[in-house]
Amino acid sequence: QVLLVQSGTEVKKPGSSVKVSCKASGGTFDTYSIAWVRQAPGQGLEWMGGIKPVFGTADSAQKFQGRVTITADKSRGIGHLELRSLRFDDTAVYFCAREKDYYGSGIYDHWGQGTRVTVSS
Amino acid sequence: SYVLTQSPSVSVAPGKTARITCGGNDLGTKSVHWYQQKPGQAPVLVIYNNGDRASGIPERFSGSKSGDTATLTISSVEAGDEADFYCQAWDTTSDWVFGGGTKLTVL
Repeated sequence: QVLLVQSGTEVKKPGSSVKVSCKASGGTFDTYSIAWVRQAPGQGLEWMGGIKPVFGTADSAQKFQGRVTITADKSRGIGHLELRSLRFDDTAVYFCAREKDYYGSGIYDHWGQGTRVTVSS
Repeated sequence: SYVLTQSPSVSVAPGKTARITCGGNDLGTKSVHWYQQKPGQAPVLVIYNNGDRASGIPERFSGSKSGDTATLTISSVEAGDEADFYCQAWDTTSDWVFGGGTKLTVL
């Protein structure tokens, strides 16, 4: 059974950066992809990007390009999302999710518990 | 940018059938996935590739598509089904897109 455990709550100032981690257990980390999805308070889901750890191939949504870096440490089974130049509207819960079947399927069958990021002055 | 349109809310009595729709341009040519999210929890995959049921999801949940509208159908609705439901699809102009979500209320 795949289990994704994310890092804890973050409070950041505008203009700073945040790095959220997602540790995977169960299954073989090399064989699957990790996606990142965020949800602003009271809002819907928003895809941010994903990575195939075995290849190191990462993609991000056009909206975040230039501000986001998605990486994975294969040896430790941990994925990371770094978001820079934080703005107030980056306040959200950030989820990692395991992507089923193949990289780019968009089928997210296991999710982390979410990491709350608050951007506040 | 690509938009998936969902009705904001659907209400249904226990034991009845709920239908949640998702519309988008050329959605008929895309694979649609559905997620259920209860308050304070992470989303749960319900249906993928238009009509395949995810592991552990009851047979009461089914997915279909007609033209550019995808439908998530929940039969014999139970109180525990109350949640927000999101559809998802890929578009070359917008990457992965989620619908705005439909709040299912069990009366």
